[in-house]
Amino acid sequence: GAGVSQSPSNKVTEKGKDVELRCDPISGHTALYWYRQSLGQGLEFLIYFQGNSAPDKSGLPSDRFSAERTGGSVSTLTIQRTQQEDSAVYLCASSFLAGANTEAFFGQGTRLTVV
Amino acid sequence: GESVGLHLPTLSVQEGDNSIINCAYSNSASDYFIWYKQESGKGPQFIIDIRSNMDKRQGQRVTVLLNKTVKHLSLQIAATQPGDSAVYFCAETNQAGTALIFGKGTTLSVSS
Repeated sequence: GAGVSQSPSNKVTEKGKDVELRCDPISGHTALYWYRQSLGQGLEFLIYFQGNSAPDKSGLPSDRFSAERTGGSVSTLTIQRTQQEDSAVYLCASSFLAGANTEAFFGQGTRLTVV
Repeated sequence: GESVGLHLPTLSVQEGDNSIINCAYSNSASDYFIWYKQESGKGPQFIIDIRSNMDKRQGQRVTVLLNKTVKHLSLQIAATQPGDSAVYFCAETNQAGTALIFGKGTTLSVSS
């Protein structure tokens, strides 16, 4: 498909375990974003990748969260030692142009439940 | 801190009515604003955007109005349809210009 693809769509994990969430952006999009959406809330910015530049990690809530983007395409968000408050929908978006002044296309998200 | 807020968490309208969803933003230096629609179980979808050098922009059945004096943004939906039922988010760029800052959303419910 031509859209942003995220996997898995749902993930249930035990507290304390590590999880990896994957994002395949739209081909040719240079910018990639991760957001977190808690139940009934808006989207909370986590991290931004742009080409080969250093990522903007200013939104990561703790050092248990990390993300990487390999080859300027696929990105993985890793949460170590998950906590119940990490339960949320994690959304990935990509855009053709750099920066936030352009339309970003979102995936359907990964719903993470920490039990 | 940076934040984007909304005036009403929910809005209920009848099919065929015009809907107006309001949003107040905080970053007076923001030069780009965007409205997204999110249906249940899906990621947000782009509706319309506007840059700070404009005060109005029209799309198909939607109009975005920007009032920089009072830092207010609104989305107008003409002839609202049941398929418009969703959560609507406004967003502005952050100080660094690297990401969109979203509000908490307004849930629009359209009844037939």
